[in-house]
Amino acid sequence: GAVVSQHPSWVICKSGTSVKIECRSLDFQATTMFWYRQFPKQSLMLMATSNEGSKATYEQGVEKDKFLINHASLTLSTLTVTSAHPEDSSFYICSARISGGSYEQYFGPGTRLTVT
Amino acid sequence: AQKITQTQPGMFVQEKEAVTLDCTYDTSDQSYGLFWYKQPSSGEMIFLIYQGSYDEQNATEGRYSLNFQKARKSANLVISASQLGDSAMYFCAMRDLTGGGNKLTFGTGTQLKVEL
Repeated sequence: GAVVSQHPSWVICKSGTSVKIECRSLDFQATTMFWYRQFPKQSLMLMATSNEGSKATYEQGVEKDKFLINHASLTLSTLTVTSAHPEDSSFYICSARISGGSYEQYFGPGTRLTVT
Repeated sequence: AQKITQTQPGMFVQEKEAVTLDCTYDTSDQSYGLFWYKQPSSGEMIFLIYQGSYDEQNATEGRYSLNFQKARKSANLVISASQLGDSAMYFCAMRDLTGGGNKLTFGTGTQLKVEL
């Protein structure tokens, strides 16, 4: 149980275009989902906390107009990278917390974004 | 602000031996949780073990145990009987439990390689 999927697993896009990444909790409801970013050989950095039905909370230094987050249902959160640039190339990982559950976050498999 | 420090960028261990991965943390909070995650080359984050700040016993999960020394603010991961499949990146993380916080702060990770 507690499986989180991400789609796509990898994507290549041209500079200036937008790309949407989906994060789904497959067998549980998730009031809260988290979006992380990981550069090669570095740690995970929390970008934002996504709450179903409300605006996402962004970490300091993360541009909310560039990284649009929508948590429209209890099983789906999306991250849209708008006007992508090569420096946005990274590994994006989402995690989800079971609604009313304990502390544990269940991670998706990640999405590798390459902007050319 | 919370901080996690992993001072070992890389570790080698022989198969069937035990290995300790170091993690120290800094927080002013009284209530917090400590996690260890494994990240294979495929990228997914695999939850290994959890220790709450008020837990008196060290957490154990199969071959994984957490050596929690609260006064020293350390939460080292011990992997017993290492296997080739244990080769991966290992991250220590801390969750702030006060005020219903859900955010995880990650360390920089330790790359473990298990050799024959």
